[in-house]
Amino acid sequence: EAGVAQSPRYKIIEKRQSVAFWCNPISGHATLYWYQQILGQGPKLLIQFQNNGVVDDSQLPKDRFSAERLKGVDSTLKIQPAKLEDSAVYLCASSYWGAGINTEAFFGQGTRLTVV
Amino acid sequence: AQKVTQAQTEISVVEKEDVTLDCVYETRDTTYYLFWYKQPPSGELVFLIRRNSFDEQNEISGRYSWNFQKSTSSFNFTITASQVVDSAVYFCALGAYNQGGKLIFGQGTELSVKP
Repeated sequence: EAGVAQSPRYKIIEKRQSVAFWCNPISGHATLYWYQQILGQGPKLLIQFQNNGVVDDSQLPKDRFSAERLKGVDSTLKIQPAKLEDSAVYLCASSYWGAGINTEAFFGQGTRLTVV
Repeated sequence: AQKVTQAQTEISVVEKEDVTLDCVYETRDTTYYLFWYKQPPSGELVFLIRRNSFDEQNEISGRYSWNFQKSTSSFNFTITASQVVDSAVYFCALGAYNQGGKLIFGQGTELSVKP
């Protein structure tokens, strides 16, 4: 079974530029998550989708971050404009939704963003 | 508020030693999930275990074992006879009962197993 796919693996941009990350979840997983992991810290949830609807985006900095999940499968996370403090690994995860319960999440390898 | 504390930032052991990674959590929910994930240098978070709050039975899987104690709000992870391949950052996480992927993570414990 294929895992969660993310691209690119690495990205270096200058501050105030824009950047986009792509995620393809495990087939059949209705729930998709984007996490931000700053060096030396645990991942922090940015946004959660159930199919193509947003369930939780309370910790997404909406003035610069946006995310979409068209057709309830692939998702894109965008940052515009980027700040130095956005340097982090962006992890995508997905989980199976059934009987009102989300199972454990499976994570991709992440995109390491460096803002200079 | 929900919180997960992993007080051990770094642990270094010699191969074949046993090692225990501590995890303490805070939640007002009566039903919840606890998780352990492993993050090797490649960066991917690898799922190790999920435990329901109403199931305090300890679990063993090969060299891995988990001790869940609601009385002390702890969910500790022990690796027996550690190996170099166990070197990674280990994260403990807390999730709502019906939200298995929406997690509150601890800071992580970096385990280094030396040959």
